[in-house]
Amino acid sequence: EIVLTQSPGTLSLSPGERATLSCRASQSVSSSYLAWYQQKPGQAPRLLIYGTSTRATGIPNRFSGSGSGTDFTLTINRLEPEDFAVYYCQQFGSPLLTFGGGTKVEI
Amino acid sequence: EVQLVQSGAEVKEPGGSLRISCKASGYTFTTYWIGWVRQMPGKGLEWMGIIYPGDSETRYSPSFQGQVAISVDKSINTAYLQWSSLKASDTAIYYCARLATMVFDYWGQGALVTVSS
Repeated sequence: EIVLTQSPGTLSLSPGERATLSCRASQSVSSSYLAWYQQKPGQAPRLLIYGTSTRATGIPNRFSGSGSGTDFTLTINRLEPEDFAVYYCQQFGSPLLTFGGGTKVEI
Repeated sequence: EVQLVQSGAEVKEPGGSLRISCKASGYTFTTYWIGWVRQMPGKGLEWMGIIYPGDSETRYSPSFQGQVAISVDKSINTAYLQWSSLKASDTAIYYCARLATMVFDYWGQGALVTVSS
């Protein structure tokens, strides 16, 4: 089973700063099958990035994804107030689907 | 417009049974897998299982195999998540979501299930 470990657990930043979130897999993940989601309090998760680096429909270009193998990164340039949320990575492959534990981006 | 609309909040006693629903619209229901995701209070996302409405093929996370049952009624574009004997530890928000290109691209609004005596 592939375990996804996200770090840091919490990221304290200010609007306008850059956020760099890490997702590390216990085994190699196909770059086609690594995604990122955003969840705000009281809301369902929202797909941000799929295939490691492709933004989902309507996602601003300040969000970008990169990585390969076991190390993946979500970068948020110039944080906007609405970007403060919890972010999860997700892989598809073994044992089908797993999510990381999440990173909270807070002010 | 793709929409997944879930049934409402439930409060049940331990040992009781429950079925929650997820009604899909805006796309061809039988051609996309539907998944269920648990979120316990203050915790992260856990994938429970997926079902293909076209033929009802179902796959469960090892963590949830035997604990829940996932089904569909394709005549009404609805997926279900069912428990036969609830436990307090089943208290959580449950989301349904459409699986497309190996990711969950559309999500339901979530259903809060509270199990308490």
